[in-house]
Amino acid sequence: NAGVTQTPKFQVLKTGQSMTLQCAQDMNHNSMYWYRQDPGMGLRLIYYSASEGTTDKGEVPNGYNVSRLNKREFSLRLESAAPSQTSVYFCASSRARVGPLNTEAFFGQGTRLTVV
Amino acid sequence: KQEVTQIPAALSVPEGENLVLNCSFTDSAIYNLQWFRQDPGKGLTSLLLIQSSQREQTSGRLNASLDKSSGRSTLYIAASQPGDSATYLCAVAGSNYKLTFGKGTLLTVNP
Repeated sequence: NAGVTQTPKFQVLKTGQSMTLQCAQDMNHNSMYWYRQDPGMGLRLIYYSASEGTTDKGEVPNGYNVSRLNKREFSLRLESAAPSQTSVYFCASSRARVGPLNTEAFFGQGTRLTVV
Repeated sequence: KQEVTQIPAALSVPEGENLVLNCSFTDSAIYNLQWFRQDPGKGLTSLLLIQSSQREQTSGRLNASLDKSSGRSTLYIAASQPGDSATYLCAVAGSNYKLTFGKGTLLTVNP
């Protein structure tokens, strides 16, 4: 009954360091998403993958890269972390394959990242 | 650009009270609307999904309605309990794979 699993749960980075946030889902979902949540800003989409082998930018993609490793896994990479990337990061998945997000979205528990 | 607004930003009620949370959106061309619950320091838990062709959905003590033409949704919680205390988020899905979120309503149910 795992659903969407994110690792790590907490991370502290120094400015300029790199890291990869991992996400895996066991629901055989086609679409996967990365969001960040900031106080006063709500949740904003960073990148999404509508299906295995495809990725697209969301509304705040700068400073991030993603990889859809296979149908289960979607990773988010910070190449050179900046204090502005301090946030809570959520991965989500949905059964939707093509077209709009017309099916329920499920979220992971989040990764709390601090960049000092 | 789609914008989602949730009112009120915070709500405190005594246990047992029925309550309504409001969500409005600016672009009525949506495919569905989803209500989530978020506990402090936790992820989002899906509560209800309403497709654009539906008017309401019910799950236990929760009832969500959707008026797509007026750009409004409400989440009704019956007989509130302290365990209902959380932040409630609504999100609308458009044609671009993206969920647009409101900033949430922080609900506190006092024993």
